[in-house]
Amino acid sequence: GAVVSQHPSWVICKSGTSVKIECRSLDFQATTMFWYRQFPKQSLMLMATSNEGSKATYEQGVEKDKFLINHASLTLSTLTVTSAHPEDSSFYICSAYQPQNNYGYTFGSGTRLTVV
Amino acid sequence: QQQVKQSPQSLIVQKGGISIINCAYENTAFDYFPWYQQFPGKGPALLIAIRPDVSEKKEGRFTISFNKSAKQFSLHIMDSQPGDSATYFCAATFGGNMLTFGGGTRLMVKP
Repeated sequence: GAVVSQHPSWVICKSGTSVKIECRSLDFQATTMFWYRQFPKQSLMLMATSNEGSKATYEQGVEKDKFLINHASLTLSTLTVTSAHPEDSSFYICSAYQPQNNYGYTFGSGTRLTVV
Repeated sequence: QQQVKQSPQSLIVQKGGISIINCAYENTAFDYFPWYQQFPGKGPALLIAIRPDVSEKKEGRFTISFNKSAKQFSLHIMDSQPGDSATYFCAATFGGNMLTFGGGTRLMVKP
């Protein structure tokens, strides 16, 4: 089946530094990548939607200059958290969409970000 | 405005029992209704999904019931096992757009 590889699975960084999270679709081409954020015991909140080769569309309240999304190819999308602060600590999850799949949405395994 | 409402928030079931989770949606344009299972520290994994042209879909111990007129759908887990203990999310979408998630249900199956 479709697999999305997300790295790293966890990361600890200092305040003010930047962190990059990668999502790769291993055996299919993802026309669209969705990035979610999940706080403990809460549902997934969509941060942004990106299509290959175009700028990401951010949800209301999400700072596009802070959460940089790059979807350079049909198999790779990255989320960079810039100038991270403790309040950015969360669980970040990507989801790749392939319309040819019967069930088109495949999730990565998530990245636990802790900013200290 | 939350477009998919999920209940209950938490559920405790004895081993061998039936777990039932309900969702209601508002947007009649939705045409794909998946259920996801999420274990702590992991991403959601697709469990089962349904489209509005059928009223029920069964895969193993998991069944989705769909009521288009009531704009409701539910997940039934038969013969619930301790390994089923996880958080379950319903979702809805159309046309390859973003998934709209319910609030989640934390299921605990007691041995």
